[in-house]
Amino acid sequence: EVHLVESGGGLVQPGGSLRLSCAASGFIFSNYWMSWVRQAPGKGLEWVANIKEDGSEKYYVDSVKGRFTISRDNAENSLYFQMNSLRVEDTAIYYCARKLAVAGTSYFDSWGQGTLVTVSS
Amino acid sequence: AIQMTQSPSSLSASVGDRVTITCRASQGIRNDLGWYQQTPGKAPKLLIYGASTLQSGVPSRFIGSGSGTDFTLTISSLQLEDFATYYCLQDEYYPYTFGQGTKLEIK
Repeated sequence: EVHLVESGGGLVQPGGSLRLSCAASGFIFSNYWMSWVRQAPGKGLEWVANIKEDGSEKYYVDSVKGRFTISRDNAENSLYFQMNSLRVEDTAIYYCARKLAVAGTSYFDSWGQGTLVTVSS
Repeated sequence: AIQMTQSPSSLSASVGDRVTITCRASQGIRNDLGWYQQTPGKAPKLLIYGASTLQSGVPSRFIGSGSGTDFTLTISSLQLEDFATYYCLQDEYYPYTFGQGTKLEIK
């Protein structure tokens, strides 16, 4: 069974940094793209970043480019999200998700339970 | 970025009703659209991918259709467990974009 467990969320001041982790199990982690998706309190879902199986390609939503970095350690079956220069508007639950590609399309078939990041002074 | 316009934003319906949610993309996205269901306090759950393919384990009352710019999610006969918020997601172009969501409530 696929299992994704996020950790590392918490309260941080504006301008601060935080590193999220996502521990993966139940599948061959190195065979899949992985993603981060966030949800501000009471708001909708927002895709934030993707990383290719081997880490060679990374994509970000414009609002986090230059501040956040997605990475992975396939030996440790772990996904990471380094978040720098945090802003109040980055406050959200951050989900890691597995991206499955099949027959020319792709989708997020498995999600973690999320970790809450609160940016506030 | 591609805008995904989802409607309605909220919907009241009864058990047994047939309901339809629509998503319109600001430009063509072929069939690279998925539908996700989210209940309060939970992670999203994939229902439909490739616009019309039912994810394994999802009941057949969930039906997706469309291609290009116009997509629909139909629930043929609402069950109690279907009252939730639904999102479409395009993953044809970066940045991926979600619709704003449709909250389905019990009438």
